[in-house]
Amino acid sequence: QQQVKQSPQSLIVQKGGISIINCAYENTAFDYFPWYQQFPGKGPALLIAIRPDVSEKKEGRFTISFNKSAKQFSLHIMDSQPGDSATYFCAAILETSGSRLTFGEGTQLTVNP
Amino acid sequence: GAVVSQHPSWVICKSGTSVKIECRSLDFQATTMFWYRQFPKQSLMLMATSNEGSKATYEQGVEKDKFLINHASLTLSTLTVTSAHPEDSSFYICSAWDYNTGELFFGEGSRLTVL
Repeated sequence: QQQVKQSPQSLIVQKGGISIINCAYENTAFDYFPWYQQFPGKGPALLIAIRPDVSEKKEGRFTISFNKSAKQFSLHIMDSQPGDSATYFCAAILETSGSRLTFGEGTQLTVNP
Repeated sequence: GAVVSQHPSWVICKSGTSVKIECRSLDFQATTMFWYRQFPKQSLMLMATSNEGSKATYEQGVEKDKFLINHASLTLSTLTVTSAHPEDSSFYICSAWDYNTGELFFGEGSRLTVL
């Protein structure tokens, strides 16, 4: 079954802290793992993505860590800011299946000033 | 950069009427678009895959006669909610692949409220 499990459901972090969101997947055939950020009333926006042949990818304050053997990947937000407060979704794609996204359940991040 | 535009961003309609939502790719041609539905504080649920020039592929449990999808051009897909009822009230979001760049772009979403 193509599922992506995401945790925690909600996360509260102080300004300047590190936010960590975890995802686990089941289908080893997934070949692309993006993270999306969604603000209330808006569509998701791509934050950062990784392919399974890479163990880590960093873009600014955002880092994806990927553990292929454990079938897990995580998003780390360094120096978290109040403006980062949003809902974050991990996802997995099997590009050969028509590139359909399987989303995680979402994590509501609140960064306190 | 590439943008996916949805219209309208919000719509209120009476029960029993039909509502059409448009999804346009502004800077690229999209042979494949996706339609999602999102309830408050929940994840996005894929409703259907819209393929230009052919019938949409619906996910299990999604009524194809209720949610009509048309992808008549390489830049436009429409979702029509027919005979809408209050339980159809939701946030509908489309997305489209830019195969040239390998990026998936989402629209801003359309909030439907059925009275």
